[in-house]
Amino acid sequence: LAKTTQPISMDSYEGQEVNITCSHNNIATNDYITWYQQFPSQGPRFIIQGYKTKVTNEVASLFIPADRKSSTLSLPRVSLSDTAVYYCLVGDPVKGKLIFGQGTTLQVKP
Amino acid sequence: DAGVTQSPTHLIKTRGQQVTLRCSPKSGHDTVSWYQQALGQGPQFIFQYYEEEERQRGNFPDRFSGHQFPNYSSELNVNALLLGDSALYLCASSFFSGKQNTEAFFGQGTRLTVV
Repeated sequence: LAKTTQPISMDSYEGQEVNITCSHNNIATNDYITWYQQFPSQGPRFIIQGYKTKVTNEVASLFIPADRKSSTLSLPRVSLSDTAVYYCLVGDPVKGKLIFGQGTTLQVKP
Repeated sequence: DAGVTQSPTHLIKTRGQQVTLRCSPKSGHDTVSWYQQALGQGPQFIFQYYEEEERQRGNFPDRFSGHQFPNYSSELNVNALLLGDSALYLCASSFFSGKQNTEAFFGQGTRLTVV
């Protein structure tokens, strides 16, 4: 199973764009990249998923280079409510098993 | 449309006891996975149920067992509780199309404290 590495923590200010990069050097051909957000004492919430190039939805963008060995989650104009732990996961959606790492704790300051 | 619901929300048990946690998947979902999240750590995969059978299992001892019912709801059972079993237990559901799983939706979790 591909292992992911992401920063332990990041700080930002309201209104800024935040980019969180995740490395997954041994990603397999069938693996997709998925990001989840988790607030304290709540279950993780799906943010975005992609296989290659760029994916965008109403809350975030996901950039994946051609070699797929890394990915970047971009959160536009963060607010205080975006303070949370963000997890980068790599896995085969056929199996559906999610392997979480330590995640990145994002602190948004006023 | 109700999302994933788990019960109970909190639970306190004594070492050596047994516990059963319950999960109702999101409407339309047929696959249920269970995760254990210790304080300050990411969730760890316990097992996954599909068509009432355990399809995948993580690195957890046999004290952890589960069941899926015909209505897709699921139970997680833990026997001979240890202090180290204290954690947030998360249930996630998804739909398996026959080719792949959709995105997983998580419940709020059950906070288990073993004393």
